[in-house]
Amino acid sequence: DAEITQSPRHKITETGRQVTLACHQTWNHNNMFWYRQDLGHGLRLIHYSYGVQDTNKGEVSDGYSVSRSNTEDLPLTLESAASSQTSVYFCASSEYRGNEQFFGPGTRLTVL
Amino acid sequence: GENVEQHPSTLSVQEGDSAVIKCTYSDSASNYFPWYKQELGKRPQLIIDIRSNVGEKKDQRIAVTLNKTAKHFSLHITETQPEDSAVYFCAASINGNNRLAFGKGNQVVVIP
Repeated sequence: DAEITQSPRHKITETGRQVTLACHQTWNHNNMFWYRQDLGHGLRLIHYSYGVQDTNKGEVSDGYSVSRSNTEDLPLTLESAASSQTSVYFCASSEYRGNEQFFGPGTRLTVL
Repeated sequence: GENVEQHPSTLSVQEGDSAVIKCTYSDSASNYFPWYKQELGKRPQLIIDIRSNVGEKKDQRIAVTLNKTAKHFSLHITETQPEDSAVYFCAASINGNNRLAFGKGNQVVVIP
């Protein structure tokens, strides 16, 4: 069955380290999104992509980057992890002309 | 940019009663309004959505109503059950495209 997966599911890292969170979908969706979820803030958009080689900044993009080299994957990189980036990260995807976003299972990241 | 607000932040209802959650949005170009349910430790999952050319949509015990003039939409859950206990997020499309702006979420507690 088609799905969207994230890895790792849990990650503990130290301040200053580079961290990459993986997102992989098998629906062949053009659109992919990264959100962070923090108590009291809901889901906030970090970066998004509408297709291969396309990346765009969301509302909370500082300290994060993404790259889209194929349709299936949108890895999220924290260049130099900070304690403020401790959060739950969700990846989502949607069809080219669709709005419905399907979410991955999430990655819980702790930065010590 | 789009601003989506949800009220109330927490809602407790007796099992069997109805629950109503309201959201307001600011972007008149928004044309897609989904509701997501998130159980503890799980991913957000779409439960119902509505497009701007429709005023109401129903699916079994849940319904969504949209008032474009007032820029608000509501989720109605009838005959609530304990499994309805979760956080519910509303969202609105940004500039009529594939991005979504999410509200901060409502915690719904169904008391047996």
